[in-house]
Amino acid sequence: NAGVTQTPKFQVLKTGQSMTLQCAQDMNHEYMSWYRQDPGMGLRLIHYSVGAGITDQGEVPNGYNVSRSTTEDFPLRLLSAAPSQTSVYFCASSRPNRVGYNEQFFGPGTRLTVL
Amino acid sequence: EDKVVQSPLSLVVHEGDTVTLNCSYEVTNFRSLLWYKQEKKAPTFLFMLTSSGIEKKSGRLSSILDKKELFSILNITATQTGDSAIYLCAVEASRAGNNRKLIWGLGTSLAVNP
Repeated sequence: NAGVTQTPKFQVLKTGQSMTLQCAQDMNHEYMSWYRQDPGMGLRLIHYSVGAGITDQGEVPNGYNVSRSTTEDFPLRLLSAAPSQTSVYFCASSRPNRVGYNEQFFGPGTRLTVL
Repeated sequence: EDKVVQSPLSLVVHEGDTVTLNCSYEVTNFRSLLWYKQEKKAPTFLFMLTSSGIEKKSGRLSSILDKKELFSILNITATQTGDSAIYLCAVEASRAGNNRKLIWGLGTSLAVNP
């Protein structure tokens, strides 16, 4: 199993450009999510999905779109990049256990810089 | 407002020392508390705690939860340089409509010197 994969590893964008961060998992996990991690702010949830065709907003969704057409893939789209979106982005997946969706497997991250 | 607070924010120890990392929380509808280790890249799962007083152990790492006082500790005994990492605490809470929410602490940065 490859686990959770993310591409690209690094990306530099100019303000106003759009791009898609890719995330895929091969563990047949229902739950997938996107986080951003910034110094002093911790991990913040952008969007999440509890299954194919179902997505919902996290705590910092503005400027980002997601879709979940298959169980495996959960791309994150930046509509019009802004310097405030400079961050490290992590995709995570998990399957429900008797308590919740909490044991999450993280991808290696994408380091995004917006100039 | 839900919050998870970790202390200390950073810690420097020598190999062989024992460390205790703290995580306190104020969260509505608690379901579980989780510990993750983050080295250079992605966080990796360590423990999930749901019940008070039951210690979870994995090698030199152990953790326990106190749901009355709303905190958890992560102990690392006989530390090694490979334990150097950021240790993250998160609390999962129930929300309306069968939803869940994970609230993350800022982490404790541990450096173990040889």
